[in-house]
Amino acid sequence: SQELEQSPQSLIVQEGKNLTINCTSSKTLYGLYWYKQKYGEGLIFLMMLQKGGEEKSHEKITAKLDEKKQQSSLHITASQPSHAGIYLCGAGVYNQGGKLIFGQGTELSVKP
Amino acid sequence: NAGVMQNPRHLVRRRGQEARLRCSPMKGHSHVYWYRQLPEEGLKFMVYLQKENIIDESGMPKERFSAEFPKEGPSILRIQQVVRGDSAAYFCASSPPWAGGSQETQYFGPGTRLLVL
Repeated sequence: SQELEQSPQSLIVQEGKNLTINCTSSKTLYGLYWYKQKYGEGLIFLMMLQKGGEEKSHEKITAKLDEKKQQSSLHITASQPSHAGIYLCGAGVYNQGGKLIFGQGTELSVKP
Repeated sequence: NAGVMQNPRHLVRRRGQEARLRCSPMKGHSHVYWYRQLPEEGLKFMVYLQKENIIDESGMPKERFSAEFPKEGPSILRIQQVVRGDSAAYFCASSPPWAGGSQETQYFGPGTRLLVL
């Protein structure tokens, strides 16, 4: 079965620093989603990538999907306390339309 | 456009009781998905529904759990005879109809936190 591994599991950075979170799949990814979850709340959609080599940016967050479609990275530039939370990568499963599988999450803390 | 609505946000039940979780999808969304987040575990898919149809229930426990998405009204996730192990956060997501056979982005609700005493 397909699995998603996220690294690191947790991250503490100083405000203003850049950081990268990785998501690796055991199989080819069919739609890769990045979400952010604040403790005790729901998931906020950030970005979705589908094509190998695709890159998308929104404000200070950039997500990339590698050419082989097995690895994605989320990069935050000049981090702020508002970026703190749990980042989850999710992916569609081939031939199981609708179902998303998720990584374990990366907990980000930003020190002012 | 209101987001995905879930209620109640918190639910406390004693062992053996029934729990009913409701989910109203975003306007224009006809696909609903339920996920469960157990303590110290990741988010796990449970069931995928379209109006009046269960499309994929591969993640649903075989007993005590059921889901529906009627023609009118919210989607309901029902857990009968709850046990302590059912304590978790249950999230609903919705998406618009798929265009060209490609999966659409799922938008999540705030979740229902179920505590079984």
